[in-house]
Amino acid sequence: NAGVMQNPRHLVRRRGQEARLRCSPMKGHSHVYWYRQLPEEGLKFMVYLQKENIIDESGMPKERFSAEFPKEGPSILRIQQVVRGDSAAYFCASSPPVRIIYNEQFFGPGTRLTVL
Amino acid sequence: KQEVTQIPAALSVPEGENLVLNCSFTDSAIYNLQWFRQDPGKGLTSLLLIQSSQREQTSGRLNASLDKSSGRSTLYIAASQPGDSATYLCAVPGRLDNQGGKLIFGQGTELSVKP
Repeated sequence: NAGVMQNPRHLVRRRGQEARLRCSPMKGHSHVYWYRQLPEEGLKFMVYLQKENIIDESGMPKERFSAEFPKEGPSILRIQQVVRGDSAAYFCASSPPVRIIYNEQFFGPGTRLTVL
Repeated sequence: KQEVTQIPAALSVPEGENLVLNCSFTDSAIYNLQWFRQDPGKGLTSLLLIQSSQREQTSGRLNASLDKSSGRSTLYIAASQPGDSATYLCAVPGRLDNQGGKLIFGQGTELSVKP
C-alpha cells in the first residue's frame, strides 16, 4: 500500500508565476489535508477536503490560493502569482473515513516551493 | 482556541541516555494526540497515536503518555541512538469530536543524540 504521494518534490517559480502542487492520498483514504511549513515556523493547517468538497479552508490565505480534490485524480493546491513569502514546504496528509476509529493522518514527503 | 506547546525547543544528549519530550495543550477535550518525527528536509512520520481513552502507547523504544486532565503528553525515548536525531512534533485535532479535520501542531523539539 503506497503512502501519500506528492509531486513535484521541489518546485522553483519566479515571482508572478503559478505553482501547482499535487497530492495522491493513500489507497482507501477519502480525506485530504494541506499544511504549510514556513522557514523556522511550525506546521500550519491550510485546508481540508473530501472528494469534490472543501470541508474547512479556515487556514487558507484569502487571495491567490485555492485547492481542489476532484472525483478522479489527485488533490491540487494552486498558488497564483507567487511571491517570495510563499516559499515553504507544503505537506499533504490523508486519513481514512472518519468512522474508522483512529482517524490518524499520514503525511506525504512534501513539496518544497522556492520563489525567486 | 487550542494551542500546543513543546518544551524544550532543542535537546542534545549523549548516546544511550533515556529522555523525555514534553507536549502541552490548552483545551483538554481532545479525542486523540499524535506524535510525529520529522527528519531535516523530509516529511512527517507518524510515531504514535494515543486515543483519549488511553493513558499510554508503546512502540519499541518509544512510549507516549497522555494526561488529558492536566493537558500534557510526554514522549519517552529509551536508550537513545544517533539515528533518533530529528525534530519531534506533537499534534492534536482542532475539533473536539471524532469527525476528522485539521491537526494543530506544536513547534517541535529538535533532538540531537551525540555518539
